[in-house]
Amino acid sequence: AQKITQTQPGMFVQEKEAVTLDCTYDTSDPSYGLFWYKQPSSGEMIFLIYQGSYDQQNATEGRYSLNFQKARKSANLVISASQLGDSAMYFCAMRGDGGTSYGKLTFGQGTILTVHP
Amino acid sequence: NAGVTQTPKFRVLKTGQSMTLLCAQDMNHEYMYWYRQDPGMGLRLIHYSVGEGTTAKGEVPDGYNVSRLKKQNFLLGLESAAPSQTSVYFCASSYLRGGYNEQFFGPGTRLTVL
Repeated sequence: AQKITQTQPGMFVQEKEAVTLDCTYDTSDPSYGLFWYKQPSSGEMIFLIYQGSYDQQNATEGRYSLNFQKARKSANLVISASQLGDSAMYFCAMRGDGGTSYGKLTFGQGTILTVHP
Repeated sequence: NAGVTQTPKFRVLKTGQSMTLLCAQDMNHEYMYWYRQDPGMGLRLIHYSVGEGTTAKGEVPDGYNVSRLKKQNFLLGLESAAPSQTSVYFCASSYLRGGYNEQFFGPGTRLTVL
């Protein structure tokens, strides 16, 4: 079974500062993928970034980077230079890449990020 | 290219009523999924499909049925709605099941069961 834990129900950050959203995971699959999604108040799910378990380098997508520490089973999202539009719910998710996983995602509880001007 | 669409966007049901949620994707994706989102619990998988004519149970399948008669459509049915099924329902699809291959989500359906 897979489990994703996001221990920060809410986070606050000042505009233009960096913020780290925590995510830890547990899985028995030797190969897996980790995702971050953003959900603004409008409700849609927006894909931000992906990290494969065998990727040697941490993933980056613009202002988003994923701090992947495999031994610690953590996949924290770092948002640099926060903007007001970053205020949203953020979900960490995992996909096992074993034979019977079929791409299913397991989600964490989410973290609400508020960016202050 | 509309991506993933869901019908309806909002619905209010009375306990015991039935309804069907429709998910459609125009990306020729093999894999489709239905999730529900409840406050404080993230998204949980209800049912999924790995191709036309196939469906399988996810984490929380009780009270729901699904069908995938056409590759582009994935239907979620509630035969006898209960207040515990009040939730936001998301459909998602993906081309492959592994690798750099994210799931694309629909806009969601907000369902209230009275």
